[in-house]
Amino acid sequence: SQQGEEDPQALSIQEGENATMNCSYKTSINNLQWYRQNSGRGLVHLILIRSNEREKHSGRLRVTLDTSKKSSSLLITASRAADTASYFCATGDTNAGKSTFGDGTTLTVKP
Amino acid sequence: DSGVTQTPKHLITATGQRVTLRCSPRSGDLSVYWYQQSLDQGLQFLIQYYNGEERAKGNILERFSAQQFPDLHSELNLSSLELGDSALYFCASSRQAQNTGELFFGEGSRLTVL
Repeated sequence: SQQGEEDPQALSIQEGENATMNCSYKTSINNLQWYRQNSGRGLVHLILIRSNEREKHSGRLRVTLDTSKKSSSLLITASRAADTASYFCATGDTNAGKSTFGDGTTLTVKP
Repeated sequence: DSGVTQTPKHLITATGQRVTLRCSPRSGDLSVYWYQQSLDQGLQFLIQYYNGEERAKGNILERFSAQQFPDLHSELNLSSLELGDSALYFCASSRQAQNTGELFFGEGSRLTVL
């Protein structure tokens, strides 16, 4: 099974609203990354948060990490129709030395 | 543009056949990773090469093999193809050996097995 599990699987909101996606993982990590994938395209790296960080911002993105709960959230503020995509978390596993992807959250932003 | 190039973009073939997917990593990146993305399995890590050597192995079938050449491009060979092998195959690259940082993905090769 995947290390990272996103929740919800699908999210539909109106333009201008905020979108929150969550990711839970099982083992210890040294970082957690969020990626975006437009339909049928390659994944694009959005943001990386290290295990000793609690919050990180990049433009309209805000990522939090709670290592005690083994969870992370991605907040997209003031969403736009162009934010419509699938969002994946990937955990950087300290022991295995590799990143493992979750199944993703499909975000639809309606204009 | 991530700088990672994958060819071919689309490939249609029949069961039992063999195909080769090619990946050129971003300039300066020594690590190449292969992922398979299908509807029911999500994004599965297959294998990683670093500077020509196999570095990590994931859920790669024995019918599949890969290599990384001295110029750092990589090829993924899929043989005795089955219907279930139909998927998007992504190549990603990074500078470091450890697969725990930012990955740069290509646009993928969509394989359809009929």
